[in-house]
Amino acid sequence: DAGITQSPRHKVTETGTPVTLRCHQTENHRYMYWYRQDPGHGLRLIHYSYGVKDTDKGEVSDGYSVSRSKTEDFLLTLESATSSQTSVYFCAISERGVAKNIQYFGAGTRLSVL
Amino acid sequence: AQKITQTQPGMFVQEKEAVTLDCTYDTSDPSYGLFWYKQPSSGEMIFLIYQGSYDQQNATEGRYSLNFQKARKSANLVISASQLGDSAMYFCAMREEVSGANSKLTFGKGITLSVRP
Repeated sequence: DAGITQSPRHKVTETGTPVTLRCHQTENHRYMYWYRQDPGHGLRLIHYSYGVKDTDKGEVSDGYSVSRSKTEDFLLTLESATSSQTSVYFCAISERGVAKNIQYFGAGTRLSVL
Repeated sequence: AQKITQTQPGMFVQEKEAVTLDCTYDTSDPSYGLFWYKQPSSGEMIFLIYQGSYDQQNATEGRYSLNFQKARKSANLVISASQLGDSAMYFCAMREEVSGANSKLTFGKGITLSVRP
């Protein structure tokens, strides 16, 4: 158990509303990631963080922003949700100082944008 | 360009038999890592096994082994003695070094494995 908690686990929202997903970790990992999973696409990286206030874009970052004001929390925000953002969102962390850099995932958040 | 290719359709295997799940990759980076994850119907992503590009031996973790053929750019997952609980989606992923970040994974589209009793 990598000590990762995602909230909420499920959310239904309407097009045009802002949505924030939270990833919380308890083990002081430096690196955190947000992915989305869609049928036929596997997981695709949205944004990642390599430290407090240090973030960068992944391959599908349009329409998303992130913030990391403290080590344990990595927030993903959809400023104005669209139906194309209906997906399952996974947060991940990677172990600090370990050569393999294995990423461990949270349980996921299922988001539906109507 | 697709970096991780998993082209097998749904796979079926008889309980207690071995099964191989294919994965090919593409990179020009000499240093990279290859991972397999399992996603059961409950939805969580479970790390299974890791192979580094400089590792001399194929990785093994219990019933899982990775058949790493560097020249062919393939990293197939072998599951021995399949169990009903192995029924899941399996994802191959590759880590490439990224400046300013610890690691960045690229995933394949996944393979569905069904184990028959």
